[in-house]
Amino acid sequence: QQKVQQSPESLIVPEGGMASLNCTSSDRNVDYFWWYRQHSGKSPKMLMSIFSNGEKEEGRFTVHLNKASLHTSLHIRDSQPSDSALYLCAASVDMGYKLTFGTGTSLLVDP
Amino acid sequence: EAAVTQSPRNKVAVTGGKVTLSCNQTNNHNNMYWYRQDTGHGLRLIHYSYGAGSTEKGDIPDGYKASRPSQENFSLILELATPSQTSVYFCASGDELGGREQYFGPGTRLTVL
Repeated sequence: QQKVQQSPESLIVPEGGMASLNCTSSDRNVDYFWWYRQHSGKSPKMLMSIFSNGEKEEGRFTVHLNKASLHTSLHIRDSQPSDSALYLCAASVDMGYKLTFGTGTSLLVDP
Repeated sequence: EAAVTQSPRNKVAVTGGKVTLSCNQTNNHNNMYWYRQDTGHGLRLIHYSYGAGSTEKGDIPDGYKASRPSQENFSLILELATPSQTSVYFCASGDELGGREQYFGPGTRLTVL
């Protein structure tokens, strides 16, 4: 059974700072990574996904993927208080629809 | 945007009782999922379905059953609820047309006393 590990567990960054979150899968057949954001008391919403080696940028958010090390990272630049949330990494294997989630990184942006 | 609704939103049940959580999606997605979320465990997959009439076991199916009577509806059934099943339950839907993104419902907070 695939395991998805996230680090750090929690992170505090100043407003305007850079937040960096990490995620690693234990399964060599992983083919897709997702990042979901969950504000307190709300449901998770997909933020970004990546399946190719390299980098993908959408606004203030950048995702990196290194398939050889089964590692992805999410970087948030110019962090805002509204970015304070639980960030969940998820992965799928063999082009399947089943996702395995990590335990999340709790981000607090300090105004 | 994909619409997934869940009912009830909050539920208090007694140990040994039967609990049914319902989920409805209006986006004609083939796949539906039930997760539970507990502090320190993230989201864990209980059951999922690829279409009406189908159910598959997820990573933690013990103590739960699922039913998919139609494309729109997916239920999670706890035949004999236990306090360890106290959690927040999320339903989600999605399929290949949405790039495999999963859309989550608002969640059901279940407390088993």
